[in-house]
Amino acid sequence: NAGVMQNPRHLVRRRGQEARLRCSPMKGHSHVYWYRQLPEEGLKFMVYLQKENIIDESGMPKERFSAEFPKEGPSILRIQQVVRGDSAAYFCASSQTGGSGANVLTFGAGSRLTVL
Amino acid sequence: AQSVTQPDIHITVSEGASLELRCNYSYGATPYLFWYVQSPGQGLQLLLKYFSGDTLVQGIKGFEAEFKRSQSSFNLRKPSVHWSDAAEYFCAVASDTGRRALTFGSGTRLQVQP
Repeated sequence: NAGVMQNPRHLVRRRGQEARLRCSPMKGHSHVYWYRQLPEEGLKFMVYLQKENIIDESGMPKERFSAEFPKEGPSILRIQQVVRGDSAAYFCASSQTGGSGANVLTFGAGSRLTVL
Repeated sequence: AQSVTQPDIHITVSEGASLELRCNYSYGATPYLFWYVQSPGQGLQLLLKYFSGDTLVQGIKGFEAEFKRSQSSFNLRKPSVHWSDAAEYFCAVASDTGRRALTFGSGTRLQVQP
């Protein structure tokens, strides 16, 4: 039973390029969360999605960042025109729809973005 | 808004010694509380969680945590630390009002001396 799969694990971009990070939730999980971890800091919530629906994007920067979770395929976190300050580890997590597992998040290994 | 404070940024203990990592939360109602561990370059692994019931919860790897409502605390403990416990530990809180996303503390980095 594969866990939360994130790719790429490492991504290098130059300033102004686009970064796309992908996340496949655990089997049976229908909710996806994205978090950002800056060096030497904790995890900051960015966005929470269900299939084809953004539930909570209160942590997303207003510009250049977007997320989607289409009916088919993985969730995508997209960062346009990256800047050096976007360098961070981006973690995806997933959870069940309901029941006792609804608030239990399972995390992927993360995607580490470096902006040159 | 809910928040989590981990007052200790860095803790060093000797192998075999006991451990307590502090966590204080701010939330108006009964929170859902979690401890996660992160090894270098890795994702987060759930150690234990508290939703309701017995305020002393047992987790994996010999860890336990106690929910104290009067102190708004959820401290993590282990009676005897192993060198493999060296990692970063995060306390997190979720609300019971439908907003499922966790709010994390800033983490405590644990170093274990031989």
